Amino acid sequence: EVQLLESGGGLVQPGGSLRLSCAASGFTFSNYAMAWVRQAPGKGLEWVSAISASGGSTYYADSVKGRFTISRDNSKNTLYLQMNSLRGEDTAVYYCAKDTGSGWYSYNWFDPWGQGTLVTVSS
Amino acid sequence: QSVLTQPPSVSGAPGQRVTISCTGSSSNIGAGYDVHWYQQLPGTAPKILIYGNSNRPSGVPDRFSGSKSGTSASLAITGLQAEDEADYYCQSYDSSLSGSRVFGTGTRVSVL
Repeated sequence: EVQLLESGGGLVQPGGSLRLSCAASGFTFSNYAMAWVRQAPGKGLEWVSAISASGGSTYYADSVKGRFTISRDNSKNTLYLQMNSLRGEDTAVYYCAKDTGSGWYSYNWFDPWGQGTLVTVSS
Repeated sequence: QSVLTQPPSVSGAPGQRVTISCTGSSSNIGAGYDVHWYQQLPGTAPKILIYGNSNRPSGVPDRFSGSKSGTSASLAITGLQAEDEADYYCQSYDSSLSGSRVFGTGTRVSVL
């Protein structure tokens, strides 16, 4: 069974940093692209970032470009999201999601999703 | 920034048929990119419901169906059940936004 377990969320002050982790199991992690998707309280879904299976290509939404960095360690089956210069509008549940392909292709989708980790940016 | 528009809510009685629209533009759905649908039950993570416009993953009841035409897509639920009460999101790709997969605004389905 595919499992994705996020960790690292919490309360952080504006301008601060946080690193999220997503431990994957039940599939060959190094064969699939991975992504982060967030959901602000009571709001809809927003794609944040993605990384190819090898880690050689990364992609970011304009709202986080230059502040967030996605990475992966295929030897540890773990996905990361380094979040710097955090703002109030970054407050959300952050989901880790497995892509259905090895690269970041337009026709793929997310399946499955982790249970999410809450990031709260507030003073 | 949601570039795919969905109705905020739809409702129906048990057994009825409801449809959810997902309206895009020439840079996403209208450009031929596939549409996928997710179901998010209260307090849980989203789950894939329909992929590639009209395909159901194994385990998804055939009460759920998807279609796409022009710059829009639709999700239909026939024989509505209480357990279908959830939020539904469409998702596609937008060529005007770098590397961007985009989600719809989301629709809350209520069973009366």
